[in-house]
Amino acid sequence: EAGVAQSPRYKIIEKRQSVAFWCNPISGHATLYWYQQILGQGPKLLIQFQNNGVVDDSQLPKDRFSAERLKGVDSTLKIQPAKLEDSAVYLCASSFGTQDTQYFGPGTRLTVL
Amino acid sequence: QKEVEQDPGPLSVPEGAIVSLNCTYSNSAFQYFMWYRQYSRKGPELLMYTYSSGNKEDGRFTAQVDKSSKYISLFIRDSQPSDSATYLCAMPYNQGGKLIFGQGTELSVKP
Repeated sequence: EAGVAQSPRYKIIEKRQSVAFWCNPISGHATLYWYQQILGQGPKLLIQFQNNGVVDDSQLPKDRFSAERLKGVDSTLKIQPAKLEDSAVYLCASSFGTQDTQYFGPGTRLTVL
Repeated sequence: QKEVEQDPGPLSVPEGAIVSLNCTYSNSAFQYFMWYRQYSRKGPELLMYTYSSGNKEDGRFTAQVDKSSKYISLFIRDSQPSDSATYLCAMPYNQGGKLIFGQGTELSVKP
């Protein structure tokens, strides 16, 4: 069974630029999560989708971050404009349902200069 | 106060040692508890989960929960160099799926 796919794996941008990350969850998984993991910290949930609807985006900085999950499968997370403090690993996870095991992708490591 | 506290380490032990990793939490509503393992440059993977107080064993790994003290532990017996990773405790915030993670403890097992 294929795992959660993410791209790109690494991205370096200047502050105030924009960037987008892509996630393809495990086939059949209705729930998709985006987490932010700052160096030396545990992952923090940014947004959770159930199919193509948002369940929780309480910790998403909505003035600069946006996410969508069209057709309830792939998802993109965008940052515009990026700040230095956005440097982190962005992890995508998926699960069959909200109470099922979450499987994580390898993450996208973002460096903002 | 963070909802979940975890000593970040790093922790370095010789091969074969018994390792003890710990977390404390403040929210008494947390009902079940997970341990994730994260290798360098990889995403976290679920190692163990447990619902109740007491011990749960899986091979060389034992998860222990003390709800009265709001304290959870992961023990690794006969540690191996392949156990070198960051170990994250996590708890579901509610039944909606959101996980609250500890800071993670970086473990290094030396041959």
